[in-house]
Amino acid sequence: DTGVSQDPRHKITKRGQNVTFRCDPISEHNRLYWYRQTLGQGPEFLTYFQNEAQLEKSRLLSDRFSAERPKGSFSTLEIQRTEQGDSAMYLCASSPIMTGLTYNSPLHFGNGTRLTVT
Amino acid sequence: RKEVEQDPGPFNVPEGATVAFNCTYSNSASQSFFWYRQDCRKEPKLLMSVYSSGNEDGRFTAQLNRASQYISLLIRDSKLSDSATYLCVVNKGVGNFNKFYFGSGTKLNVKP
Repeated sequence: DTGVSQDPRHKITKRGQNVTFRCDPISEHNRLYWYRQTLGQGPEFLTYFQNEAQLEKSRLLSDRFSAERPKGSFSTLEIQRTEQGDSAMYLCASSPIMTGLTYNSPLHFGNGTRLTVT
Repeated sequence: RKEVEQDPGPFNVPEGATVAFNCTYSNSASQSFFWYRQDCRKEPKLLMSVYSSGNEDGRFTAQLNRASQYISLLIRDSKLSDSATYLCVVNKGVGNFNKFYFGSGTKLNVKP
């Protein structure tokens, strides 16, 4: 399977603990995105990488959240001192860079990591 | 104002019906447009891209109206398996600045 892969699929943690999620994008995709989704809402942008560079981070994201993509391949998203409000589905997506075109390629999503903070 | 707005529904339709969803976007500089389908507790999956001239994929037709800044999705001959949430997605991509904005989704229930 050469799709986007996320690990773990589910994570239950106690408030105050740190958690880390991993995303492996489609191998030839330069762009990698993290989104968060809660029930009844569309995915909410968290951050975006182009290769290893983190180009944008949502201002909705507190300092407890950090993401890395050290070699421009897989990415990790860490949440420190988790709060109950962090409970959500965390989605990773990737897309290639399309040069010479006036439109952009769509996002390809992984299965997501469902986080429950108790 | 949200970047992308959708009617949350739900749209409850019988099998075989035709149903249409609209979506409006706020930024006229938006470049690329998509419809995604999301089943309950699953990840979004691309249904179709939306091109300026309009495009069709089987029972699904997408239209883009740049002047009025809205996108539509038409589903003909609805199937039970079409029951899902449909997400409208708008992309603004200029060089390294490339973000995708999602609507909250429109829920479709197709009934026997």
